[in-house]
Amino acid sequence: KQEVTQIPAALSVPEGENLVLNCSFTDSAIYNLQWFRQDPGKGLTSLLLIQSSQREQTSGRLNASLDKSSGRSTLYIAASQPGDSATYLCAGGGFQKLVFGTGTRLLVSP
Amino acid sequence: NAGVTQTPKFQVLKTGQSMTLQCAQDMNHNSMYWYRQDPGMGLRLIYYSASEGTTDKGEVPNGYNVSRLNKREFSLRLESAAPSQTSVYFCATDRLAANTGELFFGEGSRLTVL
Repeated sequence: KQEVTQIPAALSVPEGENLVLNCSFTDSAIYNLQWFRQDPGKGLTSLLLIQSSQREQTSGRLNASLDKSSGRSTLYIAASQPGDSATYLCAGGGFQKLVFGTGTRLLVSP
Repeated sequence: NAGVTQTPKFQVLKTGQSMTLQCAQDMNHNSMYWYRQDPGMGLRLIYYSASEGTTDKGEVPNGYNVSRLNKREFSLRLESAAPSQTSVYFCATDRLAANTGELFFGEGSRLTVL
């Protein structure tokens, strides 16, 4: 059974810092790995989707990597801003069995 | 373009009452999903529908039923609500079948069962 773990559970950084969020999964046979952002009281917004044949995806200040052999994905946020404060969740996908981590709660202070 | 719309946004029920959560999407996606989100447990799949007319159980289906009314609408019904069903419920869709595409979520329905 796929298990997805995110460490740390919470992270606080000053504005402008580059940071890395970690996601690990137990079953390397995944179709894709997705990163989401969730603001308090809101739904999830997809940030990046990495298919199993890919190693990374980039969108603006965000870069996500996927290493299936080690069971790890990282989300890199460059030059963090207070508006980046949110909970970030990763999810590893199998056949109609997307398994979510519990998220990293990020606070970026001005 | 509303994307994925869930109703109601908030609901309080008494134990044993029934209710239906509604989800509608205007993205012309085939697959639709119902998840629940509980503190410390992440999102868990309740039911999904790969296409109109089909539904399948997810990880935590007990106490729930679903209906894929048409391509746009996917409803989740609680026949006899229990306090353990207090949660935030999310509907989601993806463009490709088999959960291989990008997921789009609704804003959530917050349910409290007393």
